[in-house]
Amino acid sequence: EVQLVESGGGLVKPGGSLRLSCAASGFTFSTYTMNWVRQAPGRGLEWVSSISSSSSYIYYADSVKGRFTISRDNAKNSLYLQMNSLRAEDTAVYYCARETSSDYWGQGTLVTVSS
Amino acid sequence: EIVLTQSPGTLSLSPGERATLSCRASQSVSSSYLGWYQQKPGQAPRLLIYGASSRATGIPDRFSGSGSGTDFTLTISRLEPEDFAVYYCQQYGTSPRTFGQGTKVEIK
Repeated sequence: EVQLVESGGGLVKPGGSLRLSCAASGFTFSTYTMNWVRQAPGRGLEWVSSISSSSSYIYYADSVKGRFTISRDNAKNSLYLQMNSLRAEDTAVYYCARETSSDYWGQGTLVTVSS
Repeated sequence: EIVLTQSPGTLSLSPGERATLSCRASQSVSSSYLGWYQQKPGQAPRLLIYGASSRATGIPDRFSGSGSGTDFTLTISRLEPEDFAVYYCQQYGTSPRTFGQGTKVEIK
């Protein structure tokens, strides 16, 4: 069974940093593109970033470019999102999702940026 | 950036009725890399359709997707009580991989 479990969310002050993790199991993690997608409270889905299976190709939304860094450790079956210079508008549930078509999603982790 | 515009914003229908949801792109979507997702309150999204018209694993055949280029449609042939939710389209052929703003299907 495919499982994606996010962790690392919490309350952080504006300008602060946070590192999200996504633990994958039930499939060969090293062969799949992975994504981060977020959803602000009461709002729609926003794609954040994608990373190819071998980390050769990395893409970011303009809203996070230069502040967020996606990475992965295929030996640990884990996906990461390093978030720096956080703003109030980054407040959202952050989901990791498998494959370019996002065929499986985790349950999400809430990031709240507030003073 | 490819902008996806979903219509209508809200669809009010009764169980058993047919639902037709539209997703229009500002530019042609590469190789029909268009997906449809269902999201219920408090839950993660679920992939329904990928490649514009292929049903994801375990998705009932009352859900179907069609279209190409800039015009895409999700059809639910007969609404079941569990189908009332918000539906999003996403293009994943070009970065940034944009989502539409969503269509809420509510009980009339």
